[in-house]
Amino acid sequence: ETGVTQSPTHLIKTRGQQVTLRCSSQSGHNTVSWYQQALGQGPQFIFQYYREEENGRGNFPPRFSGLQFPNYSSELNVNALELDDSALYLCASSPDRGRTGELFFGEGSRLTVL
Amino acid sequence: AQSVTQLDSQVPVFEEAPVELRCNYSSSVSVYLFWYVQYPNQGLQLLLKYLSGSTLVESINGFEAEFNKSQTSFHLRKPSVHISDTAEYFCAVSESDSWGKLQFGAGTQVVVTP
Repeated sequence: ETGVTQSPTHLIKTRGQQVTLRCSSQSGHNTVSWYQQALGQGPQFIFQYYREEENGRGNFPPRFSGLQFPNYSSELNVNALELDDSALYLCASSPDRGRTGELFFGEGSRLTVL
Repeated sequence: AQSVTQLDSQVPVFEEAPVELRCNYSSSVSVYLFWYVQYPNQGLQLLLKYLSGSTLVESINGFEAEFNKSQTSFHLRKPSVHISDTAEYFCAVSESDSWGKLQFGAGTQVVVTP
């Protein structure tokens, strides 16, 4: 059973640029949630996708957008990057919107904005 | 909206000594409670969860946590720690109708020394 994989693992961007982060969910999972973890803080919920539709969103501006594909993999897009967007971005997959109570996390994509 | 407070940012502890990590939450609705662990350079892993039933929940590696509704707490304990327990521990809460949308605390770094 393949776990949650994220790419790229590290990347550096400059202010104003755009970035796309990718996530492959664990086999059999139809729900993907994205979290932002700034240095020294706990993860913050960005949004969740369930069967290709957005199913809830945290307190993040519209320049954070996402997509889920028919194979349940997902992308996180961030436009007009700001310095404060520097963080570890975590993807988590689960079956049925997380109803089992467990999220399976990838190792994250570390974004640095200069 | 709910919030989670982890009262200790770092807890140093000697091997084979007990440890307690404190977690308090606030919410106006029913919640589910979780402890996740993050080992160095790895993603988060579920340690244990409270969804319903017995207020004392246990993990397979000796940790336990007790849900105290009156004190709105979900403290994590282990009677005897190992070097391998060195990690960051996150308490998280979700509202009962918001599966997979977790509110995390800031984390507690546990450092176990011989």
